Amino acid sequence: DAGVTQSPTHLIKTRGQQVTLRCSPKSGHDTVSWYQQALGQGPQFIFQYYEEEERQRGNFPDRFSGHQFPNYSSELNVNALLLGDSALYLCASTAGGKGHAPAKNIQYFGAGTRLSVL
Amino acid sequence: TQLLEQSPQFLSIQEGENLTVYCNSSSVFSSLQWYRQEPGEGPVLLVTVVTGGEVKKLKRLTFQFGDARKDSSLHITAAQTGDTGLYLCAGARETSGSRLTFGEGTQLTVNP
Repeated sequence: DAGVTQSPTHLIKTRGQQVTLRCSPKSGHDTVSWYQQALGQGPQFIFQYYEEEERQRGNFPDRFSGHQFPNYSSELNVNALLLGDSALYLCASTAGGKGHAPAKNIQYFGAGTRLSVL
Repeated sequence: TQLLEQSPQFLSIQEGENLTVYCNSSSVFSSLQWYRQEPGEGPVLLVTVVTGGEVKKLKRLTFQFGDARKDSSLHITAAQTGDTGLYLCAGARETSGSRLTFGEGTQLTVNP
């Protein structure tokens, strides 16, 4: 049973560029959330996708956008990169649309994509 | 404003010692999860607590959820070098579904 997989593992970009990160959820999960984790801090919620729509959004600018595909996989796009966007980007999946709380709300995380903006 | 305050931020102890990590909030959470994260990896779920006053044990780790579901603690007995890592508490609120609010984390180092 594959867990949450993210690609790429590392990425280096320069200011102003655009980046796309990818995530495949755990088998049987239909809800994907994205988090940003700056060095030495806890993860911060970016947004969540369910049924191919953005369901919730954290306090992040419109430069951060996403997409969910029919197979439940997801992409995170960041435009006009800033130095401050350098962080570990984590994807988490849940069986949010199926099952019962609290089990259905338990999030499983991927290993993350380390983005460095120079 | 950080909704979940975690303390201490750093902890360095000798193998065999006991320790407690605290996670406090003024908000009520429907559930609280504890994760452990190692460098270059994502957080790995240790436990989920959902009932006020609930106590869960995982080998040498004991987790407690406050009666009012606003705070939690993680106690490690006889720490081992393999316990070294970043411990994160994260809460889910009734109105936020599975969205998690994380604390800042406690970086634990267990020295041999």
